[in-house]
Amino acid sequence: QKEVEQDPGPLSVPEGAIVSLNCTYSNSAFQYFMWYRQYSRKGPELLMYTYSSGNKEDGRFTAQVDKSSKYISLFIRDSQPSDSATYLCAMSSGPGNTGKLIFGQGTTLQVKP
Amino acid sequence: GAVVSQHPSRVICKSGTSVKIECRSLDFQATTMFWYRQFPKQSLMLMATSNEGSKATYEQGVEKDKFLINHASLTLSTLTVTSAHPEDSSFYICSAAGHNGGAFFGQGTRLTVV
Repeated sequence: QKEVEQDPGPLSVPEGAIVSLNCTYSNSAFQYFMWYRQYSRKGPELLMYTYSSGNKEDGRFTAQVDKSSKYISLFIRDSQPSDSATYLCAMSSGPGNTGKLIFGQGTTLQVKP
Repeated sequence: GAVVSQHPSRVICKSGTSVKIECRSLDFQATTMFWYRQFPKQSLMLMATSNEGSKATYEQGVEKDKFLINHASLTLSTLTVTSAHPEDSSFYICSAAGHNGGAFFGQGTRLTVV
């Protein structure tokens, strides 16, 4: 079993839809949770960074962490064609300078105009 | 967000030659940098962790003599692919971590060995 599981998709939605992306994990030591967006042939871009359980909102993006269920989510409201990309969840047991990131496989999202 | 600059973005080299890739943190000091490799439609595979002023820690199966990592300052890490072969062709990405958490990625380098 992989430490982090993420449905690779692809996920196709119409413009304006709410998108839900999810990851599950098995290591209870993970404390730091991140979501990255990666466009083709580009490096990943940090979207959300959260510590421990709870919700965090930034514009159209909301990240949720449920440590009791070992489940994290990223919601995208009012999705746009420019949101079409691969979304990677990542997590670690320590902050960025001490904890090795473990990535999910990535979910490919396509938002159709 | 923090800016990490990676150079070059694309490089084509002949088999047997060496290629150096640079990763710079532009607006923060990066005590730790990570080097990843990514194959098409796959997630990132961590190759090594480099800490400023000390030797890099390589993941299992990564040849340290082939992938030389130097992290001589808090803003610069380099990855040198020595005696490159076609199977080394891949997308290489660095990330830099500051004290505030999170990891910020460079733009990636697409290496093609012919």
